[in-house]
Amino acid sequence: ETGVTQSPTHLIKTRGQQVTLRCSSQSGHNTVSWYQQALGQGPQFIFQYYREEENGRGNFPPRFSGLQFPNYSSELNVNALELDDSALYLCATMDHPQGTQYFGPGTRLLVL
Amino acid sequence: AQTVTQSQPEMSVQEAETVTLSCTYDTSESNYYLFWYKQPPSRQMILVIRQEAYKQQNATENRFSVNFQKAAKSFSLKISDSQLGDTAMYFCAFMDLYGGSQGNLIFGKGTKLSVKP
Repeated sequence: ETGVTQSPTHLIKTRGQQVTLRCSSQSGHNTVSWYQQALGQGPQFIFQYYREEENGRGNFPPRFSGLQFPNYSSELNVNALELDDSALYLCATMDHPQGTQYFGPGTRLLVL
Repeated sequence: AQTVTQSQPEMSVQEAETVTLSCTYDTSESNYYLFWYKQPPSRQMILVIRQEAYKQQNATENRFSVNFQKAAKSFSLKISDSQLGDTAMYFCAFMDLYGGSQGNLIFGKGTKLSVKP
């Protein structure tokens, strides 16, 4: 098991609501990436944070936003939830932006 | 844009036998990493093995080894002495080190491996 934790493990929201997902970094890791994994698909890159700054973004709209804190933990915020946002959200941490990524257990989000 | 293709949606193997999972990728970059990750039903993505593109020697980790063919852009995973605990989705992933998408992983769609007793 990695030292990466995510909360909550499961979440149910309704369309239009907002959600915040959390990720605690493995010790010594200053970089975090977030991924969305739809059912039956590989994960898709949302964005990466390095030392509290956004360091790259995938093809996701601005209603997906993030934060990284001084202790390198991170949040993913999604506004105006849509049905298609239902997915497993994974965070991965690493000791530098091109390092090997170690994943947390994920948060399963269901939007009704 | 880089792409990763896993052409085997599902595979099965008998316990103790050997199985090979295929992966091809497309990139114009020369410096990159390749990975195999395993995702059991518990859903946590677990690193299996990493290969640096500049290394000619194929990476190995215990029962897991890769066949990295850089010119052919092929990166297959061989699992020897398969165990029931190897049952999982296996994802091949690419990381560009210096291009515009540096630092993020590009995944294939995965291969579902079932190990049968």
